[in-house]
Formats: sequence, C-alpha cells, structure tokens
Amino acid sequence: DQQVKQNSPSLSVQEGRISILNCDYTNSMFDYFLWYKKYPAEGPTFLISISSIKDKNEDGRFTVFLNKSAKHLSLHIVPSQPGDSAVYFCAASPFQGGKLIFGQGTELSVKP
Amino acid sequence: GEEVAQTPKHLVRGEGQKAKLYCAPIKGHSYVFWYQQVLKNEFKFLISFQNENVFDETGMPKERFSAKCLPNSPCSLEIQATKLEDSAVYFCASSQQGYQPQHFGDGTRLSIL
Repeated sequence: DQQVKQNSPSLSVQEGRISILNCDYTNSMFDYFLWYKKYPAEGPTFLISISSIKDKNEDGRFTVFLNKSAKHLSLHIVPSQPGDSAVYFCAASPFQGGKLIFGQGTELSVKP
Repeated sequence: GEEVAQTPKHLVRGEGQKAKLYCAPIKGHSYVFWYQQVLKNEFKFLISFQNENVFDETGMPKERFSAKCLPNSPCSLEIQATKLEDSAVYFCASSQQGYQPQHFGDGTRLSIL
C-alpha cells in the first residue's frame, strides 16, 4: 500500500523554465511534508518542508504547495538550473518526530 | 559534527555472516532514524531512537536485525545471519526534535554474496 505516490518517474525541463514536481498521499493523518533532492551515491538532501496548517512555503527558488482537500503537494523550482538535475523525493510524516514515508521519486533533468 | 557520518561506505559479507553499520548523528540532534533502500528509489523505514531510547521499531525485521544508540558512541545497526535480500543501501538520518527535518548521511552499501 503506497501511501505517498509520485506518479511521474521523470521530468525534463529547459533551463530557466519552471519545474513542477507532484506528489499525492492517501493518509489524512500526515501532517508534515518534506521534499528531498538526491544525487547518485549520496544521501537525500533536505530542500523544503511544510506543515499541514499551511498551504504554501517558499525558500528562494523553491516553493511547496499543499492542497489538503486533494491530498496533493507540489514543488515548484523557478528558474530551473542544470544543477537541479537529480532525483526528487517527497516524504510525509504522521506525527512529531515520526518516520518518513517516501514517494518513489521523480528524476528531474534540466537541459541547458 | 555538522553532518551525519556513516561508516563504512561499503560493506561486503558472505551469506550467513554478521554485518554491523555505524552512524554518528549531527551533534545536538536527539532523533536518529534508519532506512533501507533496496530498489533504487524505494526507502523503507526500519527504526528510530529518541536519544538512547527506541522510539519506533515498527519497521524492524525482529529476527535478525538489532540497533542501538548508546551515549557517547555512534549508533549501530547489526544484522545477524545475513541473507542475499539484505543487500541494500542503509541510510541513517538525524533530526533536532519534533518537526525539524531529518538530515541524512550518505549511506552504507551492504552487499551480501
């Protein structure tokens, strides 16, 4: 039972354009959501998070949107840069200090 | 330290042997988590600690896996009588408290031959 789903295995975007990565979840008890970026042979790197009491959080080029009624979150990267090429994972946590439930990842490729 | 440090980077064991992995969390972080990545993009939670106490062990295969976080020592994950299916990358993460994000080490690649 996949509680966190990223339905797009890959995404290709032109440098300078917006990248939009999507994530759906099924468990309404999740109340903390995160996005991680991962390069090969490295651990996931934390990008940005959002708690369930908010619908938007912004940090530089990265913005996360949360739509609780649709159980959907998205990560926007503007403008996209070639260095953003990596696998992006969304993750959710059901309670304070809790384990992360990961999606399957989306491989982003930003073309110069 | 400022990073989660995992050792060794790569560990090779014959089937049936013991494997022990280590993790030094970021200084000041009270939560430690272990995850297993078997297929390229699938993370499975194993166990978490709050300081030296087990916080959540719902993901741990009880028969052969054990873990500890003792004061003034790296945390450890031990697998007894390893099987081929234990081949995976094992990631450790730590967080300061509560809703603070988890920060990951670079993992230990365990290969069972």
